Amino acid sequence: IAGITQAPTSQILAAGRRMTLRCTQDMRHNAMYWYRQDLGLGLRLIHYSNTAGTTGKGEVPDGYSVSRANTDDFPLTLASAVPSQTSVYFCASSDQGAAGELFFGEGSRLTVL
Amino acid sequence: GIQVEQSPPDLILQEGANSTLRCNFSDSVNNLQWFHQNPWGQLINLFYIPSGTKQNGRLSATTVATERYSLLYISSSQTTDSGVYFCAVDWAGSYQLTFGKGTKLSVIP
Repeated sequence: IAGITQAPTSQILAAGRRMTLRCTQDMRHNAMYWYRQDLGLGLRLIHYSNTAGTTGKGEVPDGYSVSRANTDDFPLTLASAVPSQTSVYFCASSDQGAAGELFFGEGSRLTVL
Repeated sequence: GIQVEQSPPDLILQEGANSTLRCNFSDSVNNLQWFHQNPWGQLINLFYIPSGTKQNGRLSATTVATERYSLLYISSSQTTDSGVYFCAVDWAGSYQLTFGKGTKLSVIP
């Protein structure tokens, strides 16, 4: 089934550790996004990529980095995790950037202790 | 930036009842989308609706862009409709969708 695959589904991480959340899509969408969802704060954009080779900062980029080496993959890295990064992370994609229909992955629940 | 407000924030329905969820936005938008987040956390795109009316089964949506609002109608609600409904807008000059805070719907048997 076509769609977006995120890994891991869930992870508990010690503060200070490095962590990469993986995201792969097979819809050949140009644009990809990382959101975090926190209770009471809704969905907030961390980083985005309008096309392979380019990335941009969203609303809450500090402490996170991304890369877009090809169309399909958009990994999110936490260089040194902190407890405030405990959240549910969603990867999403669209064929026309903000103008296109947005599709989400299943989410990755990250707990930083 | 644009403000997106959804109402009501919470809604409890008896199974079989109808409901209307509202999304107001403060500026002109290029498109508007409705999403459903089920109790397991999955986010599903329901409608891509910059203007006009669309229907999909028991759900329909209407966007009146000139008056800066959109409505999501749920008819004959079922327990599987429970979850949080988000609207999101793409406004001029933005590179991303701006999401509302959502309406939490609970459908009880």
